[in-house]
This record gives sequence, C-alpha cells and structure tokens, in this order.
Amino acid sequence: AQRVTQPEKLLSVFKGAPVELKCNYSYSGSPELFWYVQYSRQRLQLLLRHISRESIKGFTADLNKGETSFHLKKPFAQEEDSAMYYCALNANTGNQFYFGTGTSLTVIP
Amino acid sequence: KAGVTQTPRYLIKTRGQQVTLSCSPISGHRSVSWYQQTPGQGLQFLFEYFSETQRNKGNFPGRFSGRQFSNSRSEMNVSTLELGDSALYLCASSSQGRGINIQYFGAGTRLSVL
Repeated sequence: AQRVTQPEKLLSVFKGAPVELKCNYSYSGSPELFWYVQYSRQRLQLLLRHISRESIKGFTADLNKGETSFHLKKPFAQEEDSAMYYCALNANTGNQFYFGTGTSLTVIP
Repeated sequence: KAGVTQTPRYLIKTRGQQVTLSCSPISGHRSVSWYQQTPGQGLQFLFEYFSETQRNKGNFPGRFSGRQFSNSRSEMNVSTLELGDSALYLCASSSQGRGINIQYFGAGTRLSVL
C-alpha cells in the first residue's frame, strides 16, 4: 500500500543553519514525489517536484529509490521559510495523491 | 487566471444532517480532487473527478460522495454527518489528464459538526 511518512511533526532551526525535512515513502511502482508548502494564512502550494530536479527558494530534494526517501534540504534557513511542509506521492493512477502528515518548520531569528 | 474557489468557507451543521460543498477549478482544468484535512490525520484523499467521471477514490465511507459538472465544477456531499467529519475540506484542480500533474489548492471549506 502507498504511504508517505514524515517523522518530524515539529522542526526548529536557527536562521542561517542547514535544514532537512525528512520524507520516506512506500510504493511499488515508479513514484512521482512532491513537496508542498503552506505558509501562514495561505493556501497549500507546490514547492517542488522530483521530476524537475530544480531548486526553488533554495530548497532541493533528491529522490533516493534505494532508501525510498525524498528529503527536502536547504543549506541556509531563512525566517520566511517558516511554514508547514508536506511531502506527497502521486500513485500514478491519475491524480491520487498521498500526503504525509506534515512538518512544521520554525526558523528562529 | 482566478484560482480554485471553494464555497462556502465555513459551515456549521449538526449530527445527522447532510452538507454540500462546492469547488470551482481554475479555468481549463478538468481534474478536481477532494481532500479531508484534520490535525491528527493530515490530508487524506477523498476522490478525484476528471471529465465528469470519478477516476480515483480514497478509503472513505459511502456517506462521502461527489460529482463533477460539464464545466468542471465539482460538488462534494456528506450525508448523515458525524462529529468526526469536522475538518477542513480542500479541493485541488489540475490541468492534465494523466502524467505529472501539479495540483492547485483552494482555501478550503471548514466544516464543524455539532
């Protein structure tokens, strides 16, 4: 069965420190993985997706099929990065997304 | 382009009642998905509609149903409401049929069941 796990509910880092938000998944096929972010009082929005291999707002995420992970990383955290982050997997049957329970990131000034 | 619009924003109902939520997708988007968001469970997939057909369905009881109209607008209905149905219901639309799709989310409808 498809499953997305984000082990940390809360994560606090100091401004300028590196940050890593963990995401592990279980899926038997080829996964499509995404990171979504929800800033305070804003809608859930796409941050990045693995297929694009892009860096958005300084964040990157690499799909590691061996470890079934898709961790989100940023070398230097900024205060504006404080938000709720969700890892999501599309089960490749159209649009059936499985979301993790989210990690609330707080960047301390 | 206008974003995904969900109405109403807030609803208060009592147990046993039924409720209908509405979602207008971004113009041109044919896929509409519904999610239930609660503090304990996070976002859980309810169902997806594409071209007026339910294409995918999550593990929710039959009290949860939906439909999509020819203009891609979608409605979600919950019958015989239970206290546990209190949640934020999110709608998301995307443009493509199959393949790698970006989901654009609405602001949600906050349902409180008393």
